[in-house]
Amino acid sequence: QKEVEQDPGPLSVPEGAIVSLNCTYSNSAFQYFMWYRQYSRKGPELLMYTYSSGNKEDGRFTAQVDKSSKYISLFIRDSQPSDSATYLCAMSGPGNTPLVFGKGTRLSVIA
Amino acid sequence: SQTIHQWPATLVQPVGSPLSLECTVEGTSNPNLYWYRQAAGRGLQLLFYSVGIGQISSEVPQNLSASRPQDRQFILSSKKLLLSDSGFYLCAWSFGTKETQYFGPGTRLLVL
Repeated sequence: QKEVEQDPGPLSVPEGAIVSLNCTYSNSAFQYFMWYRQYSRKGPELLMYTYSSGNKEDGRFTAQVDKSSKYISLFIRDSQPSDSATYLCAMSGPGNTPLVFGKGTRLSVIA
Repeated sequence: SQTIHQWPATLVQPVGSPLSLECTVEGTSNPNLYWYRQAAGRGLQLLFYSVGIGQISSEVPQNLSASRPQDRQFILSSKKLLLSDSGFYLCAWSFGTKETQYFGPGTRLLVL
């Protein structure tokens, strides 16, 4: 079983839809969880950062962490064509190891 | 504020030629530095990371090497490029290994 699993998509939604992006993980020691957005041919940029379980909201974006289920989600409300990108989840590894990344989900928002 | 630079942005190299990609960070001291490769459909592959000058950890065996000659400079090198070295190379920095990473703009490498 891979440490972090993320559906690669592609996911295609109409403009204005609510988008749900998810990752599952196997290591219960993970405590810090992040979501990155990557536009084509660009470096990933940090979207959301959460610690442990719970929700965090920033504008149209909401990040959710359920440590009991080892499941994290990113919700995008009122999706826009400019949200079309690849979304990567990331989480802190055990000990002093660097972040572990999902492979990314490609999202297309159609106008 | 912190800024991370990578160059060149694009590179086309013949098989067997050497490689040197450079990454520099401004606005912070003693950052952790990372090199990733991103191939189509394969996600981010961590190649090297460094917690200080001269300290390099290698995550995958291959014909690439990394060096950190200065606190905020990270270099990715190869003596002889392979076709399989083609990809999008990303440099990133963080305050600690478990902390959020911030990525540079990337270098697109095509080996022919």
